[in-house]
Amino acid sequence: KQEVTQIPAALSVPEGENLVLNCSFTDSAIYNLQWFRQDPGKGLTSLLLIQSSQREQTSGRLNASLDKSSGRSTLYIAASQPGDSATYLCAVILYGNKLVFGAGTILRVKS
Amino acid sequence: NAGVTQTPKFQVLKTGQSMTLQCAQDMNHEYMSWYRQDPGMGLRLIHYSVGAGITDQGEVPNGYNVSRSTTEDFPLRLLSAAPSQTSVYFCASRSGLAGGRTGELFFGEGSRLTVL
Repeated sequence: KQEVTQIPAALSVPEGENLVLNCSFTDSAIYNLQWFRQDPGKGLTSLLLIQSSQREQTSGRLNASLDKSSGRSTLYIAASQPGDSATYLCAVILYGNKLVFGAGTILRVKS
Repeated sequence: NAGVTQTPKFQVLKTGQSMTLQCAQDMNHEYMSWYRQDPGMGLRLIHYSVGAGITDQGEVPNGYNVSRSTTEDFPLRLLSAAPSQTSVYFCASRSGLAGGRTGELFFGEGSRLTVL
């Protein structure tokens, strides 16, 4: 059974810091991996999607990497801002239409 | 482009009442799904559909029914609401995975349900 773990569960950093969020999965037979952001009381917004054949994706200050062999993905946020405060979730899409979510990392960026 | 639209955004029910949460997408996605999100439990899959006329159970299907008569719509029915069904419900859709498509998942804004 695929399990997805996100570390740390919560993170508080001062504005301007670069930070890394971690996502690990137990079965490397994934179709792709997707990072989401969720603001309080809101839905999930897609940030980055990495297909299994890719190593990384970048969007603005965000960079996500994928290492299937070790079962790990990282989300790197450069020059963090208070507006980045949210919960970040990773999800792996498996062959056969199954999707498994991590529990999320709650990020707080202090001004 | 509306994406995934859920209604209602908020609903309060009494135990035993029934209701339907609506979900519609305008991206011609084959795959649609319903999740519930509870504190400390993360997102859990209730039901999903890989195309019109095809539905299947997820992780927590008990107490919920779904149907998929069109590609666009995927309603979630609570037949007899219970306090344990108090939660935030999210609908999501994505393309199929055939032909090398990415299968990027798109979510609605959520429906907050309280059962008294």
